[in-house]
Amino acid sequence: DAGVIQSPRHEVTEMGQEVTLRCKPISGHDYLFWYRQTMMRGLELLIYFNNNVPIDDSGMPEDRFSAKMPNASFSTLKIQPSEPRDSAVYFCASSKGVANSPLHFGNGTRLTVT
Amino acid sequence: KNQVEQSPQSLIILEGKNCTLQCNYTVSPFSNLRWYKQDTGRGPVSLTIMTFSENTKSNGRYTATLDADTKQSSLHITASQLSDSASYICVVSGIGGGSYIPTFGRGTSLIVHP
Repeated sequence: DAGVIQSPRHEVTEMGQEVTLRCKPISGHDYLFWYRQTMMRGLELLIYFNNNVPIDDSGMPEDRFSAKMPNASFSTLKIQPSEPRDSAVYFCASSKGVANSPLHFGNGTRLTVT
Repeated sequence: KNQVEQSPQSLIILEGKNCTLQCNYTVSPFSNLRWYKQDTGRGPVSLTIMTFSENTKSNGRYTATLDADTKQSSLHITASQLSDSASYICVVSGIGGGSYIPTFGRGTSLIVHP
């Protein structure tokens, strides 16, 4: 299995632009998580899905952030409009169940907003 | 609110030396605790899982301990290697409500010098 695949690996954009981050979870996994990592705050849970349905988006910082999971093999996290304070590494993770299963993380997308 | 606190925040040791990382949590009722290793530029990877009934578990040179009464865990690394340089993240899951979603600590950054 190729693991969780995220794209792009790096994204540099100007303030005000729309940014779309993409994630392909591991086949057969029914949970998908989006995290943001910064030096100051560590890993923060933004939103998670179960069987493609958003369960908890309370971690999404503002209405500028939105996430979708149109099918079991694809999810997107969109920021519109982007701001410099959105600069961080964004991780996607998937798991089969959640109680006793590890999260499998992608290698992240490093976002820089200038 | 569920919290996971790790110490120290950072640690520098010489190759071949041992070290111990600490984790305290408030997640209750408790389900399990995982230690993840995050190499630079990569997503976290699960090292070990501890459940309520387990006190010690080893994975090669990594040994995790759990004291569920005091809500503390440690990760001991024996005979450190340069490849152990990484961030080590303690992650705790609870039972019921939203507690089954893992709570992440902010990690300990370990640097192993030759």
